[in-house]
Parts: sequence; structure tokens; C-alpha cells
Amino acid sequence: DAKTTQPPSMDCAEGRAANLPCNHSTISGNEYVYWYRQIHSQGPQYIIHGLKNNETNEMASLIITEDRKSSTLILPHATLRDTAVYYCIVSKTGTYKYIFGTGTRLKVLA
Amino acid sequence: DARVTQTPRHKVTEMGQEVTMRCQPILGHNTVFWYRQTMMQGLELLAYFRNRAPLDDSGMPKDRFSAEMPDATLATLKIQPSEPRDSAVYFCASGLGHSGNTIYFGEGSWLTVV
Repeated sequence: DAKTTQPPSMDCAEGRAANLPCNHSTISGNEYVYWYRQIHSQGPQYIIHGLKNNETNEMASLIITEDRKSSTLILPHATLRDTAVYYCIVSKTGTYKYIFGTGTRLKVLA
Repeated sequence: DARVTQTPRHKVTEMGQEVTMRCQPILGHNTVFWYRQTMMQGLELLAYFRNRAPLDDSGMPKDRFSAEMPDATLATLKIQPSEPRDSAVYFCASGLGHSGNTIYFGEGSWLTVV
């Protein structure tokens, strides 16, 4: 499975967009990019996923570069409740393995 | 509101005792995962099942850990005998097991072995 690299921590002002980067330079053509977050003491929560195209849902947007070697999760208007560890995961189609890295600890500041 | 249910939520046990954690996947999900989370190791994949059959349990210490799915609505993770180093949060997750599948996590079982 492709490895992912994320910055260990980031700060974001409340109400501003939070842009969380992820590098996955060894990604294969059939591997999806998933984003999860974990708020302290809770189970990881699914946010969004994509294969090639950019995706948007009610929680966030996912921007995947054309070469698919990196992606950015965008929380358009961060709130204090978005403070969490955000994980970028690459999972090969059909293997069902979701290997979590160390993630990015996002702190939203009032 | 469909969710993965785990029991017990919290467990304190003495070293050497048997511990069984249970997971009820979301109805209709055919893929079940067990993860363990510690401060030192983060989230580790222990094992996962598809259609109740184990696909991969290479992340699990074989001598003391065992995972089973007696039926489609129940997954179990057993530790026998337990050791202090097993203290962690154990998460179960389930999914539909197809391309672009997402998995959904339970709230975890917090295990402390003293």
C-alpha cells in the first residue's frame, strides 16, 4: 500500500479555511485517497474520499493533483469542533486494508 | 442512525485474565476490522474479515490474541492471557467491502491491564 506523509501539526483561525496537505507519491492507479479525523477519545470519523477527481461533501473538499501524488483536504470554515487529528490514507482497491499513519494534529484557534 | 457498536466501553482487568471484546458491525456490512491504538504505536490494524472469513490477521500477536466472527452480526477479539502491554483502545470498524468503500468505526473499547 502507498505510504502517506502529513505535517505533524497545524493551526488554523476559527472561521478560516483549513488546508491539510498529504503526500502520496507512490500511489497506484487503482488506489483511493481517504480522509478520516479523530476527535479526542472518539473513534475515527470518515470525512471524504476520492480517486482522481476533486470531491466535495457537506464536511469538506478534497483536491487531488493531476499526477495524484498529493492531495489537500479543505475545511472551508473551521470551527473549534474541528480540532482533531486528521489522517490521510491510501487504500488499494480490493485489499480492504486501511493503514493509518501519524496524521496531522489540527488545532483551531478562537 | 446506523453505527458500529462495541462492548465493553471500558474494562480494567488483572494480568493473566481473559478479555473478550465484542463488536456489532453496521447491518449489511460484510467487512470488519479490528484496530488497536496506543500513544506509542498509533492506530494499528490487527485483523480484518470479509464475509466472516479472516482475510489478514498478520498484525495480531498470535500467541495470545484471537479474532472470530461467529455470525454476521458479531465479531469478537479475545486476549488470553492479558498482559499490561495490551492496555490500549481497541476499535472495530465495518464496511461494504467494494471499490471506493468507506469504513465506519465504533467508539472503541478502552482496556487497562494491571
